[in-house]
Amino acid sequence: SQTIHQWPATLVQPVGSPLSLECTVEGTSNPNLYWYRQAAGRGLQLLFYSVGIGQISSEVPQNLSASRPQDRQFILSSKKLLLSDSGFYLCAWTHGRLSNQPQHFGDGTRLSIL
Amino acid sequence: DQQVKQNSPSLSVQEGRISILNCDYTNSMFDYFLWYKKYPAEGPTFLISISSIKDKNEDGRFTVFLNKSAKHLSLHIVPSQPGDSAVYFCAASAGAQKLVFGQGTRLTINP
Repeated sequence: SQTIHQWPATLVQPVGSPLSLECTVEGTSNPNLYWYRQAAGRGLQLLFYSVGIGQISSEVPQNLSASRPQDRQFILSSKKLLLSDSGFYLCAWTHGRLSNQPQHFGDGTRLSIL
Repeated sequence: DQQVKQNSPSLSVQEGRISILNCDYTNSMFDYFLWYKKYPAEGPTFLISISSIKDKNEDGRFTVFLNKSAKHLSLHIVPSQPGDSAVYFCAASAGAQKLVFGQGTRLTINP
């Protein structure tokens, strides 16, 4: 069966520091991968998605970037964090070649910027 | 522009009764709709989905209804159980596997 892992679970960072959140998927190949952010009391906002290695689409202009160095690895980064980057970050995957498939989420990273 | 809306931020239901969660959308190109359940500090868990060629899909205690003319879908949970207390998100896609989520409804099941 497929599993998705995100780490760390929580992170407290000062303003201006760099960020690297990692997500890996096991048990499938060539998945579509997604990064979402949930701000307090809000829905899930799609930040980035990827349909293959090195292929990244950005949904909203922001202080963050994403990379996919391997088929089942998705990384969310920032060079300098802002206070507004605080939130709950979620990674998700879905089958790459099938349509109308649900996305499956990791347990998320709670990021607090001080 | 909020393409998927859940207008009720919260809902309280007595244990054993029916819970009905509602969702409205504006994009007529959406053809796949999903419901997710989320506990605090966890990722959303997929519950049930429906494609636009159907108007109902059932899985155990969960039933999703789709009214395309009204651009409305609902999730029925019957009977409601204490473990159903969570935040529920509806989501929709237009064939590109990018999901648009609603803001969520917090469901509380009272004993």
